Amino acid sequence: DTGVSQNPRHKITKRGQNVTFRCDPISEHNRLYWYRQTLGQGPEFLTYFQNEAQLEKSRLLSDRFSAERPKGSFSTLEIQRTEQGDSAMYLCASSLRSGDTEAFFGQGTRLTVV
Amino acid sequence: SQQGEEDPQALSIQEGENATMNCSYKTSINNLQWYRQNSGRGLVHLILIRSNEREKHSGRLRVTLDTSKKSSSLLITASRAADTASYFCASSYNQGGKLIFGQGTELSVKP
Repeated sequence: DTGVSQNPRHKITKRGQNVTFRCDPISEHNRLYWYRQTLGQGPEFLTYFQNEAQLEKSRLLSDRFSAERPKGSFSTLEIQRTEQGDSAMYLCASSLRSGDTEAFFGQGTRLTVV
Repeated sequence: SQQGEEDPQALSIQEGENATMNCSYKTSINNLQWYRQNSGRGLVHLILIRSNEREKHSGRLRVTLDTSKKSSSLLITASRAADTASYFCASSYNQGGKLIFGQGTELSVKP
């Protein structure tokens, strides 16, 4: 399978715990994006990387959120001290370097904070 | 905040009918893309239209773009039950490739 892969697919955690999600993009794609989607809404941009460099972060990405792409391949998104409002689908996408190309999305990680 | 607005929010049609969804955006774009999402799943790219294009076709899909009105429409012809999904427009306005999504149109096609 050469698509975007996200793990885990589902995560249930207690409020206050830390969680980490992983995204493996399509291998030749330089750009990697993280989005968050809540029920009934469209995805909202969180951050993106070009290779290993994090080039833009949304104001939605509070200081409890951190994303890395250490070797320019896979990426991790960590949420510290989770809150119930963090419950959402976290989507990863990748694309070629050019900004004028389609993005390919993974199946997402559904986070439930109880 | 999300930039795009879509209407209708929900659309229910019979199999074989055409479905039209509309999208508006707020700032100048490089391109506009349409995605489909089945319940609880990831997004599937349908079609991309660049800012200098006015119309594009892909199979049963037809997309138009009116940059003067900052709007786009997606037409699905001869709909099938398998087209039942949420459809999102997403605008790209810089070279970074970041997408700003609308709230989506939930399409239900009844057999």
